[in-house]
Amino acid sequence: QKEVEQNSGPLSVPEGAIASLNCTYSDRGSQSFFWYRQYSGKSPELIMFIYSNGDKEDGRFTAQLNKASQYVSLLIRDSQPSDSATYLCAVNTGNQFYFGTGTSLTVIP
Amino acid sequence: KAGVTQTPRYLIKTRGQQVTLSCSPISGHRSVSWYQQTPGQGLQFLFEYFSETQRNKGNFPGRFSGRQFSNSRSEMNVSTLELGDSALYLCASSIGGTMETQYFGPGTRLLVL
Repeated sequence: QKEVEQNSGPLSVPEGAIASLNCTYSDRGSQSFFWYRQYSGKSPELIMFIYSNGDKEDGRFTAQLNKASQYVSLLIRDSQPSDSATYLCAVNTGNQFYFGTGTSLTVIP
Repeated sequence: KAGVTQTPRYLIKTRGQQVTLSCSPISGHRSVSWYQQTPGQGLQFLFEYFSETQRNKGNFPGRFSGRQFSNSRSEMNVSTLELGDSALYLCASSIGGTMETQYFGPGTRLLVL
């Protein structure tokens, strides 16, 4: 079992819709959780992080964490074509970061 | 603040050669982690250095090694290159705590022929 699992997609949503990206992790001791966005040919860039159960909002992005279910999600409201990228979920267990293989998102104009 | 820088950006090597990649972290960041990214495996952790000491290590063979200097700059070395080592090598820096956010450099794309 992989440390971090993501649906590889591709996920397609129309412009203006809500995109929902999901991630599960295996280590119950994981302490912090991150979402990165990676455009083709570029390096990952941080979108947001979350440490505590519940929701955390930053602009059009909302991260949700449920430690009991070992589940992290990212909601993108009012999706724009510029949001088309691969989204990587990362989990910090305290010893190292584990990354999912990413979900490819396409926002259709 | 300047971001994480990596040199060189692109490299072409042949099997059996060795290669050294360099990473300069964000000013004030003391932790540098290295990752290998391939289309099939995604981002895989190689190792992390903090204050010139390897703090954590991933599951890669001994051909992959690294070091960190007193100014926090880090180098990664791969010896006896194999075709499967072709990948994007990314370094990420953080302030130093175990829960700190990591910021990535642009990567070095290595092609082994």
